[in-house]
Amino acid sequence: GAGVSQSPSNKVTEKGKDVELRCDPISGHTALYWYRQRLGQGLEFLIYFQGNSAPDKSGLPSDRFSAERTGESVSTLTIQRTQQEDSAVYLCASSFTARGREDTQYFGPGTRLTVL
Amino acid sequence: GDSVTQMEGPVTLSEEAFLTINCTYTATGYPSLFWYVQYPGEGLQLLLKATKADDKGSNKGFEATYRKETTSFHLEKGSVQVSDSAVYFCTIRGTYKYIFGTGTRLKVLA
Repeated sequence: GAGVSQSPSNKVTEKGKDVELRCDPISGHTALYWYRQRLGQGLEFLIYFQGNSAPDKSGLPSDRFSAERTGESVSTLTIQRTQQEDSAVYLCASSFTARGREDTQYFGPGTRLTVL
Repeated sequence: GDSVTQMEGPVTLSEEAFLTINCTYTATGYPSLFWYVQYPGEGLQLLLKATKADDKGSNKGFEATYRKETTSFHLEKGSVQVSDSAVYFCTIRGTYKYIFGTGTRLKVLA
C-alpha cells in the first residue's frame, strides 16, 4: 500500500521567504509527527498531532514555525521568514496510534530544504 | 526528561565481523524501544522493536534485547555484510513522543 509521502522533495529558497512543506500520512493513521534532521545529526522532534490537534508543540524552534493538520490526514509545516539555520531535511512520520501495539512510525522520504 | 545515548560512530568493520552498537536510555515507566536504520539515499526504516522488559526484537539477522535493569537496548549482528552499511538510530517512545539517539554510522568493508 501507499506509504507516507512528502512534497516537495527538494526546496531551495531565499532567506526571508516563507515555505510550506506537505505530508500525506498513511491512510487511517491517527498520529502524525514532524522531525528535523540537520546534516550529520540525529532527528529533532518538532511537533506531534493526534487527529487534528497538536498536544505537543514543544519542539518547534521558534514562532516562525507552525503546523496544521486537517481531516485527520494531510499536514502542512510552514516556516516563515526562513533563515539559513533552517536548512535541513524535514521528515514526517505517521503511526496508527500514538500508544499501544500499533505505535510503529513510518517515515516519509523527507523534504530537503536549503535556504540561501 | 527522557533521553537516549548511543555509541558514537563511525564504526568500520570487515565483512562477517560481529557488530554491537550500544544504546542506553533514561525514561520513566516502560517505554517501547526501537532501532531505525537509514540506508544511503533512503528514508528511515524500522529495523526492530521491543515493547516490554526481556523482549527480543529481531530482523535481518539483527537482534536487540530490552534490558530494564540496565536500561539498555544494544543492537547486535553476528556477521555483518557490506549491505548493512547505514546509519542506525536507537529510539524510545515514552507517552507518545519518540526520542531518537544521534545515530551511529556503520561502514562495512568487503
